Amino acid sequence: GNSVTQMEGPVTLSEEAFLTINCTYTATGYPSLFWYVQYPGEGLQLLLKATKADDKGSNKGFEATYRKETTSFHLEKGSVQVSDSAVYFCALSLSGVNEKLTFGTGTRLTIIP
Amino acid sequence: KAGVTQTPRYLIKTRGQQVTLSCSPISGHRSVSWYQQTPGQGLQFLFEYFSETQRNKGNFPGRFSGRQFSNSRSEMNVSTLELGDSALYLCASSQDSYGYTFGSGTRLTVV
Repeated sequence: GNSVTQMEGPVTLSEEAFLTINCTYTATGYPSLFWYVQYPGEGLQLLLKATKADDKGSNKGFEATYRKETTSFHLEKGSVQVSDSAVYFCALSLSGVNEKLTFGTGTRLTIIP
Repeated sequence: KAGVTQTPRYLIKTRGQQVTLSCSPISGHRSVSWYQQTPGQGLQFLFEYFSETQRNKGNFPGRFSGRQFSNSRSEMNVSTLELGDSALYLCASSQDSYGYTFGSGTRLTVV
């Protein structure tokens, strides 16, 4: 079956530190990959996506590259801010076969000033 | 462009009751999906509707049902509520599988 394995949290960093949240996947086919962010009391917001191997998704200083050879989609940001504190979810979907999103367990990120 | 609207935002129900949640997708989006989020199980797929037809269903008991109307608005219904049904229910709409936009969710508490 399809699954997403995400780095266990919580993660606490100081402001301006470098961020990496690891995500690996297992899929029967060629998935699209996503990172979603959830702020307290809110739904999910799409942060970035990549639809094929070697694609790089980027948004708001966050980046992730679709690595087919390592089945990974790690999230990175060079300098985090307090406002980045949230829960981050890695997810995949298989277009044309199965429209649902399969999510990782989420990683809670806290940035301290 | 209006986002995905879910109503109500909060709901408290008693065990054994039933509940109906509503989702209005982004204009032009024909696919609506529902997810349940709990601290223990994380985000789990409930079902997906496209043009009024259920296209995909997750592994939930028959107490969970849904439907989609001709204007793409969707409802989900949970009958005979159990304490374990307490969760944040999220709706997402999309035009294709490359972009899902979520609503803010309905937080259901069963007492």
